[in-house]
Amino acid sequence: EADIYQTPRYLVIGTGKKITLECSQTMGHDKMYWYQQDPGMELHLIHYSYGVNSTEKGDLSSESTVSRIRTEHFPLTLESARPSHTSQYLCASSVTGAETQYFGPGTRLLVL
Amino acid sequence: QKEVEQDPGPLSVPEGAIVSLNCTYSNSAFQYFMWYRQYSRKGPELLMYTYSSGNKEDGRFTAQVDKSSKYISLFIRDSQPSDSATYLCAMSPYSGGGADGLTFGKGTHLIIQP
Repeated sequence: EADIYQTPRYLVIGTGKKITLECSQTMGHDKMYWYQQDPGMELHLIHYSYGVNSTEKGDLSSESTVSRIRTEHFPLTLESARPSHTSQYLCASSVTGAETQYFGPGTRLLVL
Repeated sequence: QKEVEQDPGPLSVPEGAIVSLNCTYSNSAFQYFMWYRQYSRKGPELLMYTYSSGNKEDGRFTAQVDKSSKYISLFIRDSQPSDSATYLCAMSPYSGGGADGLTFGKGTHLIIQP
């Protein structure tokens, strides 16, 4: 059982607001990821972290930013939300040497 | 051409049937293959993991990889209504996904009719 948590689970917010999506894992995994998932579409990687103070952008361009100050915590921030940011955001983690990733429950974001 | 192709369905079968779900891919560097199950409004849950070619069985689930054909399959025996979900194939050249993450198919929506 993977112990990876995301809050909030659902968020409805107006255009221009700053938002932070939280992701935490209690497994001590060094690698963490953010994916974006639109209905009927593939998951696309938007951010990746090898470990504390390490972040990289993924293959899908995103206006969001991330930080990794603690191993267990990998928040994603949108400085000014727009309707085009409406999507589901999934956080995942893995440990170096392991074969796969474990996902959180996701945050569904709706920007009006 | 997308790197991973997966028929989105929906695929509807009666309870107890054997279900076959498939993905094809184009990147010959992929070595690690996974199947995730995703219920509505939930995150993906890892079902099966396979390295390179071959078969792997876990209970009612069997994963097959044919690297020569660039084709992977997931079989579900004695399907149950609780198996109704979207099944995502995922793959990577690297253990754990590496810096590029995992490459996913769009997912197949499976419906098991009671």
